[in-house]
Amino acid sequence: NAGVTQTPKFRILKIGQSMTLQCTQDMNHNYMYWYRQDPGMGLKLIYYSVGAGITDKGEVPNGYNVSRSTTEDFPLRLELAAPSQTSVYFCASRGTGEYEQYFGPGTRLTVT
Amino acid sequence: GDSVTQMEGPVTLSEEAFLTINCTYTATGYPSLFWYVQYPGEGLQLLLKATKADDKGSNKGFEATYRKETTSFHLEKGSVQVSDSAVYFCALSESGNNKLIFGAGTRLAVHP
Repeated sequence: NAGVTQTPKFRILKIGQSMTLQCTQDMNHNYMYWYRQDPGMGLKLIYYSVGAGITDKGEVPNGYNVSRSTTEDFPLRLELAAPSQTSVYFCASRGTGEYEQYFGPGTRLTVT
Repeated sequence: GDSVTQMEGPVTLSEEAFLTINCTYTATGYPSLFWYVQYPGEGLQLLLKATKADDKGSNKGFEATYRKETTSFHLEKGSVQVSDSAVYFCALSESGNNKLIFGAGTRLAVHP
């Protein structure tokens, strides 16, 4: 059982470039989340989704976009990368009525 | 708004020492409380949870009690092992809310 998978594991971007962070879960979870983790800080919620076709902003959505065309996939898009977006990005999912969020292994992104 | 405050790390202990990591929270309602653990190079994993006042969550020798009167959820373990070395995050989720609010995390290092 793969759980939550994220690609890529590492990426270096130049300022102004764009990229998509991929997230897939195979647990048929309705809820999916994107977080960023900055050094010495807790996780901050970027965007979340309660089901296919439905997304909503979290605490720090500026500079990011998401889509949820299927239950399994929840990609995160950076359109114009900035140094402030250097961080580790985690995707998570949760089943309806459950408390636990299941996390992917993370993507370490550096913008220079 | 809701928030979680954890003791700053790093916490450095010898094997078999007693562990306490303090966590206090601010919430408008009646949140569920969680401890997540992040081992090096991995995503977060749920360690334990408590969903109402006076509940005790426990797992792998770790315990935490939901104290509404002191708005606290301190993590304890009677005898730590080297394999417990990780970053520990306290988090809350308001009832009916999809979101987790995380503390900044506390790094634990256990040496033989």
